[in-house]
Amino acid sequence: GAVVSQHPSRVICKSGTSVKIECRSLDFQATTMFWYRQFPKQSLMLMATSNEGSKATYEQGVEKDKFLINHASLTLSTLTVTSAHPEDSSFYICSARDTGPGLNTEAFFGQGTRLTVV
Amino acid sequence: AQTVTQSQPEMSVQEAETVTLSCTYDTSESDYYLFWYKQPPSRQMILVIRQEAYKQQNATENRFSVNFQKAAKSFSLKISDSQLGDAAMYFCAFFNTGNQFYFGTGTSLTVIP
Repeated sequence: GAVVSQHPSRVICKSGTSVKIECRSLDFQATTMFWYRQFPKQSLMLMATSNEGSKATYEQGVEKDKFLINHASLTLSTLTVTSAHPEDSSFYICSARDTGPGLNTEAFFGQGTRLTVV
Repeated sequence: AQTVTQSQPEMSVQEAETVTLSCTYDTSESDYYLFWYKQPPSRQMILVIRQEAYKQQNATENRFSVNFQKAAKSFSLKISDSQLGDAAMYFCAFFNTGNQFYFGTGTSLTVIP
């Protein structure tokens, strides 16, 4: 299957600083990328859907000024957690869909990023 | 947001036996896709099986099969001949024409040797 690389896999930052997480599709073009947040032993909560070249669509309750998403190319989307606080500590996962036609195209997932804000 | 519900937070199965994981979803759309993903302790999401809503035939992938009941909005996963490596979190997922991709609450599967 296709490969999605997410970086970094772990990051620790101080409260008040910003952290950028990258999601790259390595061997396919991704029109759409999804960003999720996962708490321990819980489901993946969709934060936003980003489409290349346009603004991301955020889910209700997700602060778009807090979680900045940029999808500047067909192979890269970034999530920036701005002015991070301890409650932002979580596991963040990205996924990317191929640009192939139809809904049948599979979404491939990155390895996830463990963010710890101290 | 679409709702995807997995009513079994935890399930266990004896090795070599069969287990069924439940999933229900809520949508007013007729065209969508359903998926089952597996998340082992590494937390890497792995696609197990997918089902197109317009297809009446249930999808099958080796030991994994689904029971898709469109009218009931039900999409269960059957794992036959369970193996120790099947132990993981299993998530049901819904994808629609609006480009929305939602996951269920998850079921933790334990395989007993």
